[in-house]
Amino acid sequence: DVVMSQSPLSLPVTLGQPASISCRSSQSLVYSDGNTYLNWFQQRPGQSPRRLIYKVSNRDPGVPDRFSGSGSGTDFTLRISRVEAEDVGVYYCMQGTHWPRTFGQGTKVEIK
Amino acid sequence: QVQLVQSGVEVKKPGASVKVSCKASGYTFTNYGISWVRQAPGQGLEWMGWISAYNGNTIYAQRLQGRVTMTTDTSTSTAYMELRSLRSDDTAMYYCARDLNSNWYGGDTFDIWGRGTMVTVSS
Repeated sequence: DVVMSQSPLSLPVTLGQPASISCRSSQSLVYSDGNTYLNWFQQRPGQSPRRLIYKVSNRDPGVPDRFSGSGSGTDFTLRISRVEAEDVGVYYCMQGTHWPRTFGQGTKVEIK
Repeated sequence: QVQLVQSGVEVKKPGASVKVSCKASGYTFTNYGISWVRQAPGQGLEWMGWISAYNGNTIYAQRLQGRVTMTTDTSTSTAYMELRSLRSDDTAMYYCARDLNSNWYGGDTFDIWGRGTMVTVSS
């Protein structure tokens, strides 16, 4: 199975400051069609996960543009340009290239 | 709108079975598959398995093989996940999420999630 490793696991951030989460995979996530199926999810307290980013860097409809995704191969990053109070929650990366699907451990974002 | 509506809270005794449903609406059910994901209290997300709503093909997480069965009813656009021989560590929120209808190609996945079904296993 592809292991997804996130860091840090806890991220205290000051409102208005940037935040960055790293996700590394144990194998390349480039699929045979040339796409890289790496998703980012946000899970606010008491809610279902919500997809923010798909195929590394594509924002889902309604996702604020302060969220951005980047990376390639085995190394990926989710960035929040200016953290707002509503961004508190746990963020997960997930690979959809290989079976079984696998998730990172999650990164808890909280306000300092 | 596109949504997945899950069945309600379940409380089961160890050794029993549970069957959770996930009803799709707002899209053509057989054009997609459904993955099931669970989350134990305070823990991360664990992928349990996938079923194609097109042809019923399944892939299960190895650690659940033999205890889990996923099915669909295309007449009602509903997916089901049955977990048998329940143990206390099966206590979790169970989510369904929209996935691909085949494991032979790549594509965008997990764009729609249900609100979750809490399953508690306790004697």
